[in-house]
Amino acid sequence: GENVEQHPSTLSVQEGDSAVIKCTYSDSASNYFPWYKQELGKGPQLIIDIRSNVGEKKDQRIAVTLNKTAKHFSLHITETQPEDSAVYFCAASIVLGNSGYALNFGKGTSLLVTP
Amino acid sequence: DAGVIQSPRHEVTEMGQEVTLRCKPISGHNSLFWYRQTMMRGLELLIYFNNNVPIDDSGMPEDRFSAKMPNASFSTLKIQPSEPRDSAVYFCASRYISIPETQYFGPGTRLLVL
Repeated sequence: GENVEQHPSTLSVQEGDSAVIKCTYSDSASNYFPWYKQELGKGPQLIIDIRSNVGEKKDQRIAVTLNKTAKHFSLHITETQPEDSAVYFCAASIVLGNSGYALNFGKGTSLLVTP
Repeated sequence: DAGVIQSPRHEVTEMGQEVTLRCKPISGHNSLFWYRQTMMRGLELLIYFNNNVPIDDSGMPEDRFSAKMPNASFSTLKIQPSEPRDSAVYFCASRYISIPETQYFGPGTRLLVL
């Protein structure tokens, strides 16, 4: 099936620094790109998303950018805090036959923010 | 809103036993997804339902896995017989069909098959 590649797999930053996670996708029909945060022992939680008619979206300390031509999108976290430590997943929408939408997920990035 | 509810949260069983995982989607959501998460393979879509009807089960690993959605507020994922390689965290997610992409995940069931 179509793949979503996510890098890096692990990322360690100092509190206050910025963190950037990058993803690429292969399905040119993908038009929705959510980001999920998964804390230990919990399910993935949607933190921000972007649609293909938008190049950038910001919500407080997090922002996403999308380059449809290059088929890549990124998550930017500024002024990182220890509570940002978690696994982050990117995803890209896919169409399953005539039957509807699903999401292809990246393998995740384990972010550690050290005080 | 209570969010997606899954039970049990943890399950330890012996190889060969039947395992049943349960999910209650968010009220009003009409699509439901089952995922499996492992370190090696990440998040894998197993099956999804629209309006209680299974739409795509191409991700179900083999015949030992089956899923049902008898009504809009309940779904089960059954593994019979279970094997050690089925050990993983199983997530259920739901969404509105009219907002086709945005999925909301439950807390997961951590399954260990000995």
